[in-house]
Amino acid sequence: AAGVIQSPRHLIKEKRETATLKCYPIPRHDTVYWYQQGPGQDPQFLISFYEKMQSDKGSIPDRFSAQQFSDYHSELNMSSLELGDSALYFCASSTTANTEAFFGQGTRLTVV
Amino acid sequence: KNEVEQSPQNLTAQEGEFITINCSYSVGISALHWLQQHPGGGIVSLFMLSSGKKKHGRLIATINIQEKHSSLHITASHPRDSAVYICAISNFGNEKLTFGTGTRLTIIP
Repeated sequence: AAGVIQSPRHLIKEKRETATLKCYPIPRHDTVYWYQQGPGQDPQFLISFYEKMQSDKGSIPDRFSAQQFSDYHSELNMSSLELGDSALYFCASSTTANTEAFFGQGTRLTVV
Repeated sequence: KNEVEQSPQNLTAQEGEFITINCSYSVGISALHWLQQHPGGGIVSLFMLSSGKKKHGRLIATINIQEKHSSLHITASHPRDSAVYICAISNFGNEKLTFGTGTRLTIIP
């Protein structure tokens, strides 16, 4: 069965650079969530989209933005990267009919 | 105080032992999720519960809504069960997850 696909799996960027993380939800899933998990920390909610509209916003820095496209994939754009942005970024998808979340493998971002 | 508390934080057991991981939460929820995270990071959803009990293979999850408490049990534990187990909750009208701190389980052969 198709799962949530994230790309890239690993990304190394320098400080002040930009990064774009992509998430492809399970087919027919209309909701996407982004989470950030710092080293040794719990995942923290960043932002979510439902039917291509932002549905909720968490502790997402102003330097980050995200959107969901017409094919329901989502992109997380991160600018002016800081060392503290180094983390594992998870995407999860679900449907409004069944709110069980299915997670991608994550993108490990390292800022040097 | 975190909305979701797990215990223990670390658990080491011998292969074959019965494992229990506990989760307590302090707010109203629409569902409670048990997740498994292996080294390397990928998260797998094990259970989503809103009441009662669910079983999948050697894994059993229970929830007591009145006491705001859930447990994850593993029977006949195996070294491949070694992972971080995370309890997470979702709230009514807002299905984003709030995560507990995780329980690191190590099963020794």
